[in-house]
Amino acid sequence: RKEVEQDPGPFNVPEGATVAFNCTYSNSASQSFFWYRQDCRKEPKLLMSVYSSGNEDGRFTAQLNRASQYISLLIRDSKLSDSATYLCVGGDSSYKLIFGSGTRLLVRP
Amino acid sequence: GAVVSQHPSRVICKSGTSVKIECRSLDFQATTMFWYRQFPKQSLMLMATSNEGSKATYEQGVEKDKFLINHASLTLSTLTVTSAHPEDSSFYICSARDLTGLSEKLFFGSGTQLSVL
Repeated sequence: RKEVEQDPGPFNVPEGATVAFNCTYSNSASQSFFWYRQDCRKEPKLLMSVYSSGNEDGRFTAQLNRASQYISLLIRDSKLSDSATYLCVGGDSSYKLIFGSGTRLLVRP
Repeated sequence: GAVVSQHPSRVICKSGTSVKIECRSLDFQATTMFWYRQFPKQSLMLMATSNEGSKATYEQGVEKDKFLINHASLTLSTLTVTSAHPEDSSFYICSARDLTGLSEKLFFGSGTQLSVL
């Protein structure tokens, strides 16, 4: 079983739609969680950290449920520029990151 | 601007040659750097943790004699793919930890696309 599992998608949504991605992790010792965004053949870029209390950054909302070992990302009012692969990431205290395989999002006009 | 510089961005080489990839932290000292590999449509897989002044720690299944890592200074880690073969063709990317300042941060290089013919 992979340490971090995601639905690969693709999610194909119209502009303005709300889309949600889910992720599960198997290592209960993981301490920190993140969502990264990766464009084709580019380095991943940090989108946001994920906390149990939930956190919001503009159109993006992330949530962590430690009991269920489940992480989510909600994108509201999708833009064309949101088209990318979204990586769910778990990390330990030494910043060793374990990446999910990514969920591909396509936002169409 | 980029705080981690990775070079080269693209390499095409013949089978059997060795390829060196450099990862530099530009304005901070990085005692720890990480090397990842990503095959098409797959996740970034951690290959090894590079520690300044000591041996790298390799993940299970990664051959340390094939993927040589050197972290001789606080700003430079190198990954050498020795005797590269077509199955080594992949996207290699490094990251570095910045421990200065109030919050710890992790920065990625821009990646190296290796194609072995």
